Amino acid sequence: AQSVAQPEDQVNVAEGNPLTVKCTYSVSGNPYLFWYVQYPNRGLQFLLKYITGDNLVKGSYGFEAEFNKSQTSFHLKKPSALVSDSALYFCAVEGAQKLVFGQGTRLTINP
Amino acid sequence: DTEVTQTPKHLVMGMTNKKSLKCEQHMGHRAMYWYKQKAKKPPELMFVYSYEKLSINESVPSRFSPECPNSSLLNLHLHALQPEDSALYLCASSQGWRSGGSGNTIYFGEGSWLTVV
Repeated sequence: AQSVAQPEDQVNVAEGNPLTVKCTYSVSGNPYLFWYVQYPNRGLQFLLKYITGDNLVKGSYGFEAEFNKSQTSFHLKKPSALVSDSALYFCAVEGAQKLVFGQGTRLTINP
Repeated sequence: DTEVTQTPKHLVMGMTNKKSLKCEQHMGHRAMYWYKQKAKKPPELMFVYSYEKLSINESVPSRFSPECPNSSLLNLHLHALQPEDSALYLCASSQGWRSGGSGNTIYFGEGSWLTVV
């Protein structure tokens, strides 16, 4: 079965520093991987996805993610964090007609 | 326009009430979903409609009854709920699925906050 794991419940980063939110996956076949962000009391917003092709995927709000097949990872990155990036981030993998989500990582950017 | 609209935003209902959550999308998507999300947890899939037919029911109790009147609308009928059913209910939509995987992006609405008293 398809699954993803987010090893960190919480990540704290100083404003202006680079940030990384980690995700590893386990799939049979080709992985279709996604990142979503959820701000407080809001729905999920799509950030980016990897389907095929370039291992570095660029998405919304300056975020990017690097697909690494050998390490089965799909880490979310941003070169310079903003306080407004503070939110709950979910990695997900496509299953059978659905998304399978990781447990989420709460990202806090400190001014 | 990648918008999924959900109403109401907030709903408080008693355990004997009957209410409905509504969802609408105008992106021409042919798959629609209901997810349930508890605080600080990932969304949990409840139902999937594909081409207006129920294709997945994740063993959801019968007090939740989905309905897809047409390709743009999705309802979730609620009856005799329990306090533990209080949660954020998220509707979502995407392009239709095909075998072997699709890479479809699933777009979520803002959710309906349900409180059962």
